[in-house]
Amino acid sequence: DAGVTQSPTHLIKTRGQQVTLRCSPKSGHDTVSWYQQALGQGPQFIFQYYEEEERQRGNFPDRFSGHQFPNYSSELNVNALLLGDSALYLCASRYGTGKNEKLFFGSGTQLSVL
Amino acid sequence: GNSVTQMEGPVTLSEEAFLTINCTYTATGYPSLFWYVQYPGEGLQLLLKATKADDKGSNKGFEATYRKETTSFHLEKGSVQVSDSAVYFCALSLTGGGNKLTFGTGTQLKVEL
Repeated sequence: DAGVTQSPTHLIKTRGQQVTLRCSPKSGHDTVSWYQQALGQGPQFIFQYYEEEERQRGNFPDRFSGHQFPNYSSELNVNALLLGDSALYLCASRYGTGKNEKLFFGSGTQLSVL
Repeated sequence: GNSVTQMEGPVTLSEEAFLTINCTYTATGYPSLFWYVQYPGEGLQLLLKATKADDKGSNKGFEATYRKETTSFHLEKGSVQVSDSAVYFCALSLTGGGNKLTFGTGTQLKVEL
C-alpha cells in the first residue's frame, strides 16, 4: 500500500513564476491538507480539501490555491512566487473520524525560489 | 489564537540517557495534543496523541501526559537510542487531529554513543 506521494521532490523557480505541486493521498483517504514548512520552523497549515472543495484555510494569501480531483489527488498552486515562498511543502491525507482521526504525511516537495 | 511553544534545540544526549522535551500550548476550547517526529528526508510521523486532560499518550517508549492545569504536554523517554535522533514537533488540533494542526517550531534531538 503506497503512502502519501508527492511530486516533484525538489523544484527551483525564480521570483514571479508560478508553480504546481502534486499529491496523491494514501489509498482510501479522501481528505488532503497542505502545509508549508520553512527552514527551522514547524509546518504551517495552508488549506484542506474534501469532496473537491476547499474546506479550511490557514493564513495564506490568495496566491496560494489548490484543487482536488475526483480520485482524491490534489494540487497546490502558487502564483507570483516570492523569495519567502522557499520552503518544504508537505501534503497529508486523513484517515478516520472524530477523535480517531489521523494524518499521514508525504515526504514533501522542497521548493527553492531564486 | 492557538499556539504551541516548545523548547529550542538541538538537544544532545548520550545513548540510554533520559529525555524530556518541553511543550506548552495556548488554545481556545479543548484541543487534542500530539507529538510528531521527522527523520531526515522523511515526512512527519505521528508519535503519540492525547485527546483530553490527564490522558497519557505513549508509543515506542515515549510518553506525554496532557496537563490542562499547566497547559503542557511534555515528551519523555527513559532511555534514548541513537535511532531516536530526529526532529520532534509538538502540535495541537481543535478536532481529533485530522484537520488543521498547529505546530511548534520543533526540537532537534541528537543521540550519541
